[in-house]
Amino acid sequence: ETGVTQSPTHLIKTRGQQVTLRCSSQSGHNTVSWYQQALGQGPQFIFQYYREEENGRGNFPPRFSGLQFPNYSSELNVNALELDDSALYLCASGGDRRANTGELFFGEGSRLTVL
Amino acid sequence: GDSVTQMEGPVTLSEEAFLTINCTYTATGYPSLFWYVQYPGEGLQLLLKATKADDKGSNKGFEATYRKETTSFHLEKGSVQVSDSAVYFCALNDAGGTSYGKLTFGQGTILTVHP
Repeated sequence: ETGVTQSPTHLIKTRGQQVTLRCSSQSGHNTVSWYQQALGQGPQFIFQYYREEENGRGNFPPRFSGLQFPNYSSELNVNALELDDSALYLCASGGDRRANTGELFFGEGSRLTVL
Repeated sequence: GDSVTQMEGPVTLSEEAFLTINCTYTATGYPSLFWYVQYPGEGLQLLLKATKADDKGSNKGFEATYRKETTSFHLEKGSVQVSDSAVYFCALNDAGGTSYGKLTFGQGTILTVHP
């Protein structure tokens, strides 16, 4: 039990739609990161937020955006969905020191299917 | 850029067999290295880590040694159990950057242990 919860667990969208995924971080953690895990692949870093500001971004287009709220919950928004966006989306949290060393606590993910 | 390469799976072993999962990396800085494990139906969990050359990480009977000269971080266990069946991910965090929550993952290795 990592204390990181994600919702929804599964969802189906059609191409061109928009989706919002939510994450509740572990208490006391002020860094949240989002990852995309395609089937049979390792997670790919999308971006991270530190104290409500984006602080690092991977190789993902601007239609992937996020927010972090004062209570350290977070959202991942994806606009203009494409078929290749079908994946498991993982949220991970870490406190200042833990995140600096890569010790992250992952949620179980939101499985997105784009038809 | 940073990258992690894991031996391809899946790996199938009998209980009490010796396990090795190879992992090599490429990084521009002096990364911290990790093994994460994903049990069926659960989120990613940190298994062990090493933050500098020649460090040995260990947990639950698993070990891995940070080898800078060979840029490797191979995972080993002397006697596997059925409960070790999972997907194992090697990962790095380039501590020289500012993306605290950014991990670079390998593609994962599926381990199945039979009684």
